[in-house]
Amino acid sequence: KNQVEQSPQSLIILEGKNCTLQCNYTVSPFSNLRWYKQDTGRGPVSLTIMTFSENTKSNGRYTATLDADTKQSSLHITASQLSDSASYICVVRAYNNNDMRFGAGTRLTVKP
Amino acid sequence: DAEITQSPRHKITETGRQVTLACHQTWNHNNMFWYRQDLGHGLRLIHYSYGVHDTNKGEVSDGYSVSRSNTEDLPLTLESAASSQTSVYFCASRGNQNEQFFGPGTRLTVL
Repeated sequence: KNQVEQSPQSLIILEGKNCTLQCNYTVSPFSNLRWYKQDTGRGPVSLTIMTFSENTKSNGRYTATLDADTKQSSLHITASQLSDSASYICVVRAYNNNDMRFGAGTRLTVKP
Repeated sequence: DAEITQSPRHKITETGRQVTLACHQTWNHNNMFWYRQDLGHGLRLIHYSYGVHDTNKGEVSDGYSVSRSNTEDLPLTLESAASSQTSVYFCASRGNQNEQFFGPGTRLTVL
């Protein structure tokens, strides 16, 4: 069983709308959690990183939240744009080693 | 600007052939990684290296090998390509800030 589960698998929204992507993990002990954006045909690019003590972090229209107690994170996208169409990948790193666990990603499509 | 590149970007080969995928980074990072990405799966670690002459097996290392003769390069070799190795391969490097930078990927098809 994957230690990082993302939902939904795919999502279609209209331009200008908001959306929230979910990430649940079982990786322990926890070190940090990153959200990556992967455009079609490209490598993933980091959006945010969150450590144990951080609850919320923003990067422009992207806001990530972390609840380390329930082992859940979310990525909220505000006022979506066509360029937000991509896969969003949640990656969790364990504290005591360099092991990074990748979620399967959420495929977001923003339509005009 | 520093970057990470992969070549080729696309490769078609036949079952049983040896294939080498190149990865080159100019950040002078010690840590380098190879992943494969398949539909329905997260990126899975194949091999990684923490420095010159250091190599380690990842989660899905069978049928793959790497070598690290310098800081900049980590070539990935498929000893005898199999259809199950059809995938998109990503190389990444990581510096002291713990952020991984990914290459553009290589799409490999094994017929």
